[in-house]
Amino acid sequence: EDKVVQSPLSLVVHEGDTVTLNCSYEVTNFRSLLWYKQEKKAPTFLFMLTSSGIEKKSGRLSSILDKKELFSILNITATQTGDSAVYLCAVYTGTASKLTFGTGTRLQVTL
Amino acid sequence: DTAVSQTPKYLVTQMGNDKSIKCEQNLGHDTMYWYKQDSKKFLKIMFSYNNKELIINETVPNRFSPKSPDKAHLNLHINSLELGDSAVYFCASSQVRGPGELFFGEGSRLTVL
Repeated sequence: EDKVVQSPLSLVVHEGDTVTLNCSYEVTNFRSLLWYKQEKKAPTFLFMLTSSGIEKKSGRLSSILDKKELFSILNITATQTGDSAVYLCAVYTGTASKLTFGTGTRLQVTL
Repeated sequence: DTAVSQTPKYLVTQMGNDKSIKCEQNLGHDTMYWYKQDSKKFLKIMFSYNNKELIINETVPNRFSPKSPDKAHLNLHINSLELGDSAVYFCASSQVRGPGELFFGEGSRLTVL
């Protein structure tokens, strides 16, 4: 069975800190890895990573994939209270393109 | 305009009842999904339809029946509701069947008493 594991499960940091969220996977027929941010309601898309070693960046957020070691990291620099959310990692697999989600990391940024 | 809209947003019902959740997307996407999110925020796929054809059917009790009358709509009917069905149900859509961004609706919180 496909497995996506995120760590840590939860994290509390002070505004201005830099955080690294981890996602490792054991799946059959990997196609791509996605990161989502979920605040109160719907998850919103952050990044999709398909190739190893290529960093995707959007403002203070960046992410990279290592297909050899089967993991990805999401970095957030200079965190703000608005970054408080659950961050979800998901992996696309197989011909039916099933998206399997990890358990999520709950990030809380305090003043 | 909401891209993926679900109704109702909240649903409180008794065990044993039957209920439906409706989903519509106005993005012109071919593929739609139902996900279930439990209290620990774990999102698990239930079903996926591509152009009205069922392509993913995870191990879900057959009390759950999806229906896609056209590619813009995907409804979820649940028979004989149980306490464990309490969760937030998310509808999502994607432009293509393959890897690509999923657009999520705001979720329908179902509480079974």
